[in-house]
Amino acid sequence: EVRLVESGGGLVRPGGSLRLSCTASGFPFSGYVMNWVRQSPGKGLEWVSSISTRSSDIYYTDSVKGRFTVSRDNANEIAYLQMDSLRVEDTAMYYCARYAPGSVKRFDYWGQGILVTVSS
Amino acid sequence: DIQMTQFPPSLSASIGDRVIITCRASEHIRGYLNWYQHTPGKAPKLLISGASHLQSGVPSRFGGSGSATVYTLTISGLQPEDFGTYYCQQGFSFPLMFGQGTRLDI
Repeated sequence: EVRLVESGGGLVRPGGSLRLSCTASGFPFSGYVMNWVRQSPGKGLEWVSSISTRSSDIYYTDSVKGRFTVSRDNANEIAYLQMDSLRVEDTAMYYCARYAPGSVKRFDYWGQGILVTVSS
Repeated sequence: DIQMTQFPPSLSASIGDRVIITCRASEHIRGYLNWYQHTPGKAPKLLISGASHLQSGVPSRFGGSGSATVYTLTISGLQPEDFGTYYCQQGFSFPLMFGQGTRLDI
């Protein structure tokens, strides 16, 4: 069974940092592109970042460039999202999701999400 | 960046109705269009990929079509479990973009 489990969320003050983890199981982790998608309160889904299978290709949405860093550990099957210089507008439920390389970039499995609250 | 415009933003329908949700891309995306259902408290669920390919386990009342810049999701014969918010997502190029969502109330 494919499982993606996020952890590391919580309450943080503006300007602070958090590191989210996405622990994968039930599939060949190193063969999939890993992604982070968020949903702010009352808003829609927003793609945040993608990291290729060997970490050679990394992409970010403009609003997090220079503040967030995505990485992965294929040996331990974990993807990370390091979030620095956090802003109130980063408050959201963060989901990790996968897609297969060469596909239409369909997010076929998602975690249940982890809440990040940025507030003073 | 490719922008995705989804409409309507919300709609109300009855059990058994047929509903259509439309997604328009600002550029040709060659069928790289996926549809998701998101219900409160759950992870988003992939319904259709590549504009028209129904995912395994998704009921056949869901259908997708379209090409170039305009794509549609059709739900024929609404069921109570179909409530939620539906999103399109383009997978053609980065940054990947979702539509604004369509909230479906049954």
